Amino acid sequence: DAKTTQPPSMDCAEGRAANLPCNHSTISGNEYVYWYRQIHSQGPQYIIHGLKNNETNEMASLIITEDRKSSTLILPHATLRDTAVYYCIVRVDPKTSYDKVIFGPGTSLSVIP
Amino acid sequence: GAVVSQHPSWVICKSGTSVKIECRSLDFQATTMFWYRQFPKQSLMLMATSNEGSKATYEQGVEKDKFLINHASLTLSTLTVTSAHPEDSSFYICSASPGPISSYEQYFGPGTRLTVT
Repeated sequence: DAKTTQPPSMDCAEGRAANLPCNHSTISGNEYVYWYRQIHSQGPQYIIHGLKNNETNEMASLIITEDRKSSTLILPHATLRDTAVYYCIVRVDPKTSYDKVIFGPGTSLSVIP
Repeated sequence: GAVVSQHPSWVICKSGTSVKIECRSLDFQATTMFWYRQFPKQSLMLMATSNEGSKATYEQGVEKDKFLINHASLTLSTLTVTSAHPEDSSFYICSASPGPISSYEQYFGPGTRLTVT
């Protein structure tokens, strides 16, 4: 079973920031938070991941609460091409350990013109 | 880097026939490959895990005799849907992981759309 809970759907106006929440209250100390997205009829695309510090890359920012029980993925300026299903996943450090990637239902983000 | 391809990208077959889907890691060696299935408006469901040179490990409820997985090399895994039926119509996605070679990160393929008529 997925170890995360996400809202099933969200809308965001084009050009505005999209903030996608994820609850992972049972996360273990050695587990990372990963975000993927899946545009319709394509394979999952990696977005970002983090352990406890906030992270930013060219696609998004990841804010992890201090207790690590929840996180928020931020798309700073959403475009129509960001319309997709976003999956929040927790897993152990892939640099050192094997772990299955189990997908939950995700959040279907619709960016509206 | 870390590109995974699938072939074909879509396939239509008649009920009762078998169809093979290929998953290739193009620029790295994949010790482990994973196969997922996704029905419309549903999430990805892990079907099986395969390690190069070993038999695949299937998730509960997945028929191993129906979904044959071969991982004969470090860059290629195949999924054969045997005696396909319309209920097998789905989006099949593979992912590949270098494993102990470098990391256990998973890189996903673009998916294969199977339609059984």
